[in-house]
Amino acid sequence: DGGITQSPKYLFRKEGQNVTLSCEQNLNHDAMYWYRQDPGQGLRLIYYSQIVNDFQKGDIAEGYSVSREKKESFPLTVTSAQKNPTAFYLCASSLVSYNSPLHFGNGTRLTVT
Amino acid sequence: GESVGLHLPTLSVQEGDNSIINCAYSNSASDYFIWYKQESGKGPQFIIDIRSNMDKRQGQRVTVLLNKTVKHLSLQIAATQPGDSAVYFCAELGFNQFYFGTGTSLTVIP
Repeated sequence: DGGITQSPKYLFRKEGQNVTLSCEQNLNHDAMYWYRQDPGQGLRLIYYSQIVNDFQKGDIAEGYSVSREKKESFPLTVTSAQKNPTAFYLCASSLVSYNSPLHFGNGTRLTVT
Repeated sequence: GESVGLHLPTLSVQEGDNSIINCAYSNSASDYFIWYKQESGKGPQFIIDIRSNMDKRQGQRVTVLLNKTVKHLSLQIAATQPGDSAVYFCAELGFNQFYFGTGTSLTVIP
């Protein structure tokens, strides 16, 4: 089955530690995205990438970093500089063509204490 | 930035009734819209999309209506079932990214 796999589903970290969230897709999509979801808010874009070895900041990129070394993979690192890292993180992918829907993974819930 | 909002944060319907979920968008230049369903602890699932050159689009038990005059989008679910209980939110394609509403929580009463 084609889809997007995010791992782990739950992640716990101590404040001050960097943590990397995994996202893998086998949909052969060129574009990949990271969103953050907080209660009572719409999804907010962290980073996106439309091609391997290239990515752009979204609306809330501060305290996050990404890499895109392979088409299938788009890991997100939450650094210690992110002031409120506890959230539900969603990875998505899509075709690059205009008017293509986003396909989402099942998310990683990160808790930082 | 752009905003996409929903008129009602919660909606309860009897099983078998029809559900209508509404969404207001702000950018009259947006030309692509999507409805997503999100169950607790899971990622959003694509339900149906519509382009601005259409007023209505139907899928299996779902219909999306687009009123560009008042910048309003609605999702109609026919014969609502318990499995339809979830949060539903709309997404609007802006200049180079999607903007998402906060969602409406639909509860189906057996």
